[in-house]
Amino acid sequence: DVKVTQSSRYLVKRTGEKVFLECVQDMDHENMFWYRQDPGLGLRLIYFSYDVKMKEKGDIPEGYSVSREKKERFSLILESASTNQTSMYLCASSFEDGRTEAFFGQGTRLTVV
Amino acid sequence: AQRVTQPEKLLSVFKGAPVELKCNYSYSGSPELFWYVQYSRQRLQLLLRHISRESIKGFTADLNKGETSFHLKKPFAQEEDSAMYYCALSLSNRDDKIIFGKGTRLHILP
Repeated sequence: DVKVTQSSRYLVKRTGEKVFLECVQDMDHENMFWYRQDPGLGLRLIYFSYDVKMKEKGDIPEGYSVSREKKERFSLILESASTNQTSMYLCASSFEDGRTEAFFGQGTRLTVV
Repeated sequence: AQRVTQPEKLLSVFKGAPVELKCNYSYSGSPELFWYVQYSRQRLQLLLRHISRESIKGFTADLNKGETSFHLKKPFAQEEDSAMYYCALSLSNRDDKIIFGKGTRLHILP
């Protein structure tokens, strides 16, 4: 069974904290993605990576950074959490050809207080 | 710019009635289009892809390049179809972004 696993299902952090969201996939996928999911706004791409140590900005990268040191792991970092970053964060992975499906993690609901 | 548009935020349909979820895209290249579904308390998952030309759970979607549309259809709605549906566009080149629409919540009325 293919798996994309996010390290936490729920997180509560304080404003100004540095927050790490971790994602691991076991399918040897080249591509990995971080999205945030908000009601009425759908899935918005934050960052994606098509190879180890490679990253590309998505549509809303401000306030976020990412790290991909190993093929199977893609981390999202909130340098200084703010209340407007309260959201559901989804990690996904896919093969590089773009024709096959993306597999999603279960999501991390982050609340910044 | 590449864009996926789902014009309806919410679609309510009676059980047994036909369903059509609309999706339009904007992309100058050759598109790879998908429909993803998220049932309550479950992770987002693929429903179908245009390249497969398959029917999944009674749903079909046809790519219309002239109208740049990829509408999702089902002839007879079932209560278990209630979910959030997202249309997605893969750019399918070195820059392998996947762009999602804002989603349509399908509510099947008994």
